[in-house]
Amino acid sequence: GAGVSQSPSNKVTEKGKDVELRCDPISGHTALYWYRQSLGQGLEFLIYFQGNSAPDKSGLPSDRFSAERTGGSVSTLTIQRTQQEDSAVYLCASSKVSGGTYTDTQYFGPGTRLTVL
Amino acid sequence: AQTVTQSQPEMSVQEAETVTLSCTYDTSESDYYLFWYKQPPSRQMILVIRQEAYKQQNATENRFSVNFQKAAKSFSLKISDSQLGDAAMYFCAYLAGANNLFFGTGTRLTVIP
Repeated sequence: GAGVSQSPSNKVTEKGKDVELRCDPISGHTALYWYRQSLGQGLEFLIYFQGNSAPDKSGLPSDRFSAERTGGSVSTLTIQRTQQEDSAVYLCASSKVSGGTYTDTQYFGPGTRLTVL
Repeated sequence: AQTVTQSQPEMSVQEAETVTLSCTYDTSESDYYLFWYKQPPSRQMILVIRQEAYKQQNATENRFSVNFQKAAKSFSLKISDSQLGDAAMYFCAYLAGANNLFFGTGTRLTVIP
């Protein structure tokens, strides 16, 4: 596609429920990233994919958070047993290549605003 | 550890005037990348400009330019001829080695007609 797309745009859920957030990267981009933006704060790195593998999961805040990527394209971020502190905007980004001696620019999607009641 | 500091939570500029947003960073790396992203109310993070640390020449994109001072670890963004559409949150970001961007806390820019 022309840009990174994310769905849903907004998600309201009840505490304790599971949610799935979807990211569709730019076609041909092998690297994919998830970030979290809490109210009034900057962006916090969650996880990075190169192809279908996730060499860096260091930013996932707890074991309630998981992510997968299939076919080197779409990625899903799953939050189990949601808590109110999970409320934030979840942003996805993709880039052509990453690591080594060259790093391409990351292009962001519009984000999913998650509200946990 | 890499840190990015934006010391100006809010800035304002008169339409058609020039404004400079500040950013400093801390790193022990010699090769890295610096970025300015713009985030309007739509939430979309939009790349404004990119600078490779090995390049001495300051990056420029139309009305946007940077003042990159590697020794001082400073990376400021200058917006010339400010337009109403420039109003947004601006984030400075750093990347080196690791694949994730480190972001500052942002500067909210208001453009006054």
